[in-house]
Amino acid sequence: EADIYQTPRYLVIGTGKKITLECSQTMGHDKMYWYQQDPGMELHLIHYSYGVNSTEKGDLSSESTVSRIRTEHFPLTLESARPSHTSQYLCASSRSQAWETQYFGPGTRLLVL
Amino acid sequence: AQTVTQSQPEMSVQEAETVTLSCTYDTSESDYYLFWYKQPPSRQMILVIRQEAYKQQNATENRFSVNFQKAAKSFSLKISDSQLGDAAMYFCAYTIGSRLTFGEGTQLTVNP
Repeated sequence: EADIYQTPRYLVIGTGKKITLECSQTMGHDKMYWYQQDPGMELHLIHYSYGVNSTEKGDLSSESTVSRIRTEHFPLTLESARPSHTSQYLCASSRSQAWETQYFGPGTRLLVL
Repeated sequence: AQTVTQSQPEMSVQEAETVTLSCTYDTSESDYYLFWYKQPPSRQMILVIRQEAYKQQNATENRFSVNFQKAAKSFSLKISDSQLGDAAMYFCAYTIGSRLTFGEGTQLTVNP
């Protein structure tokens, strides 16, 4: 198993609440990613970072925001959760080269009521 | 648009037999990398095998091998001697500049 962690693993929350999904890795990887995955469906990249203070939006539009203040930490924030945000969120990291394997965390299953 | 297509939403195989999962992709780039990832139920996504597009030789990892046809933009995964632990969702993906694009996935069932 890769050294990449996500908390919480499961979250049930009401509409309008602010939430932060945590992601940390201990591998010293420069690159980190957030994907959104609906059950049984493909993953869509929503945010990525190539290093500290670097963040970019991914292929799928998302109302979430991210920050990268430390190499090992890449939290995702939703300012006001809505039922449409219900999904699984996967964090991943990799070394700098384009061909490097991405290592995935266990995911956070989010349910917004 | 760059896409990855897995035409088999579900596949099943008998334990100890061989199964092939299909994947096609569309890109105008010449330098890219291809991956198969495995996502077991309620467990982390892990890499199964990867292939550099500039290499003609097909990648092999123990019981897993690929058939990479660059001109046809095809990248199938063959699992030999299937085991119960191979049951999972399998995703084909490619990367250009570290950004992975995934297919829709194939749910593989292994029957004892």
